[in-house]
Amino acid sequence: GENVEQHPSTLSVQEGDSAVIKCTYSDSASNYFPWYKQELGKGPQLIIDIRSNVGEKKDQRIAVTLNKTAKHFSLHITETQPEDSAVYFCAASWGNKFYFGSGTKLNVKP
Amino acid sequence: KAGVTQTPRYLIKTRGQQVTLSCSPISGHRSVSWYQQTPGQGLQFLFEYFSETQRNKGNFPGRFSGRQFSNSRSEMNVSTLELGDSALYLCASSLGAAGNTIYFGEGSWLTVV
Repeated sequence: GENVEQHPSTLSVQEGDSAVIKCTYSDSASNYFPWYKQELGKGPQLIIDIRSNVGEKKDQRIAVTLNKTAKHFSLHITETQPEDSAVYFCAASWGNKFYFGSGTKLNVKP
Repeated sequence: KAGVTQTPRYLIKTRGQQVTLSCSPISGHRSVSWYQQTPGQGLQFLFEYFSETQRNKGNFPGRFSGRQFSNSRSEMNVSTLELGDSALYLCASSLGAAGNTIYFGEGSWLTVV
């Protein structure tokens, strides 16, 4: 089955800096890659997603890039703010199956 | 549009008991999937239901079961609870076709004592 690896497991940045979280996947059939943000005590919320026919997608301070050849995709957060502190999960999907990374705990220091 | 609703939000059970968790998907969504989240194991897939049929299943023992009703609402049941079943149980819904986004509820926090 699909295997999704996510790095780093924890990331600490200063407010205003950028944060990058990387994920690799193993199954070339995966064609949909969502990212979720999970705040303490809440369920994961979709923040951005990308499909395999697109290389990059942006939404304000958040961007995701996909390299199908290398089988990796990344989440980029610019101008980080304290409210960006949370756990971020990447996922790879094909068909109606989803495979999640192990999560990255992002801490934005004011 | 209401999101995915899970009940109860918090519950405490004793070892050996059973528990039933409920999930109401987003209106119009026909797929409901369940995940177990623990601090050390991340998001573990339990099973997915679509049109009242289990379509996918993860690697959990038979003590974990689920069902889906004709209105797409779903329940999961855990029998003979063990301490290790303490976790956040998340439900997610989608339209159900390949490539559709899944949306999570807030989860049900289960503590087994």
